[in-house]
Amino acid sequence: SAVISQKPSRDICQRGTSLTIQCQVDSQVTMMFWYRQQPGQSLTLIATANQGSEATYESGFVIDKFPISRPNLTFSTLTVSNMSPEDSSIYLCSVGHVGGQPQHFGDGTRLSIL
Amino acid sequence: DQQVKQNSPSLSVQEGRISILNCDYTNSMFDYFLWYKKYPAEGPTFLISISSIKDKNEDGRFTVFLNKSAKHLSLHIVPSQPGDSAVYFCAASPSGNTGKLIFGQGTTLQVKP
Repeated sequence: SAVISQKPSRDICQRGTSLTIQCQVDSQVTMMFWYRQQPGQSLTLIATANQGSEATYESGFVIDKFPISRPNLTFSTLTVSNMSPEDSSIYLCSVGHVGGQPQHFGDGTRLSIL
Repeated sequence: DQQVKQNSPSLSVQEGRISILNCDYTNSMFDYFLWYKKYPAEGPTFLISISSIKDKNEDGRFTVFLNKSAKHLSLHIVPSQPGDSAVYFCAASPSGNTGKLIFGQGTTLQVKP
């Protein structure tokens, strides 16, 4: 399976600031996704990162708060904007293909907002 | 609206015995179901999946059973090993080739030596 690298692995940020998380894959992949796991909760899909076009956001998530880029088939970024303590979560990048193939996940970015 | 539910937050079993993790879903329009294992400070790792047209899939010590009429699936681990101690997530893939997954809340499995 693909090797997925996420940076940073963790960060502590001040409220009102923004942080960009990077996801790098060692091979070209069809689909890339961004998930959030709030403390004690399940993984929730934020958006599908589309190569060369705007991301597709799930209900409850908006581009102004979580802008996403995907300039090519191996790289994507997620920005968490104007952070508040409620944004303290683990953010995970995953990659996959259509047709029931499993997604594979990076190790996540553990974000704490003070 | 939680479409995928894992109603048991935790499970403890003795090494060598069977672990059974359960998952229920409410949407009939799921094509695939998957199980992931997650250790602390790591991303989820894919374990096993099953197509909605099957009722069983086996891979080594791991077997997934799907009961479509009951909208229920389960993961059996036999024999359980201490290294299996982790959080297990059930996930479902909606039909339509979007590739996205909907996850359950997770069940923490502890296998005691």
